[in-house]
Amino acid sequence: GDSVTQMEGPVTLSEEAFLTINCTYTATGYPSLFWYVQYPGEGLQLLLKATKADDKGSNKGFEATYRKETTSFHLEKGSVQVSDSAVYFCALHQGGSEKLVFGKGTKLTVNP
Amino acid sequence: DAGITQSPRHKVTETGTPVTLRCHQTENHRYMYWYRQDPGHGLRLIHYSYGVKDTDKGEVSDGYSVSRSKTEDFLLTLESATSSQTSVYFCAISGDSSSNQPQHFGDGTRLSIL
Repeated sequence: GDSVTQMEGPVTLSEEAFLTINCTYTATGYPSLFWYVQYPGEGLQLLLKATKADDKGSNKGFEATYRKETTSFHLEKGSVQVSDSAVYFCALHQGGSEKLVFGKGTKLTVNP
Repeated sequence: DAGITQSPRHKVTETGTPVTLRCHQTENHRYMYWYRQDPGHGLRLIHYSYGVKDTDKGEVSDGYSVSRSKTEDFLLTLESATSSQTSVYFCAISGDSSSNQPQHFGDGTRLSIL
């Protein structure tokens, strides 16, 4: 079945460092891909998405590009802030399905 | 923010007791979902609903039942709670099942079963 694999965390960075969180997927067909973010004590919020190959999703300085050839959707940010400390989830949605498939999440801590 | 309210936000109960969690939405969305979040497992789908009285199982549905008698409310019931059901439970809603309408999440219910 469909699955999403994220890099193991936790990830700890200093403020203004470059961030990459790896995400790869296994799916039939052409799923849509998402990054969600969960701040402490809150539910998940959609951060960005891409619906077809070579699409780039972006929001709040974060970017991810849908790479069909490598089945990847890595999350990047050029300069992280303390306020970016959260858990990040990669997810896929297969057309015709009612469900999202989530990765296990990657916890990011940014220190001042 | 999407209008989703989960209640209660926190609950502590004993093994063997029944527990009902409520998800209420003000968006008139068709789809509603219940997930549980556990360390090392991410989010796992318990049950979902695609309309009033229309529900289906997710990947971890054993020990849980759901009901949706009106569009705005989706109830999750643990008939006889077990310690393995200690978790954080999230409700999500979506206007349709396509990727153009991503799921929006509530703030969660932290359930502890002693």
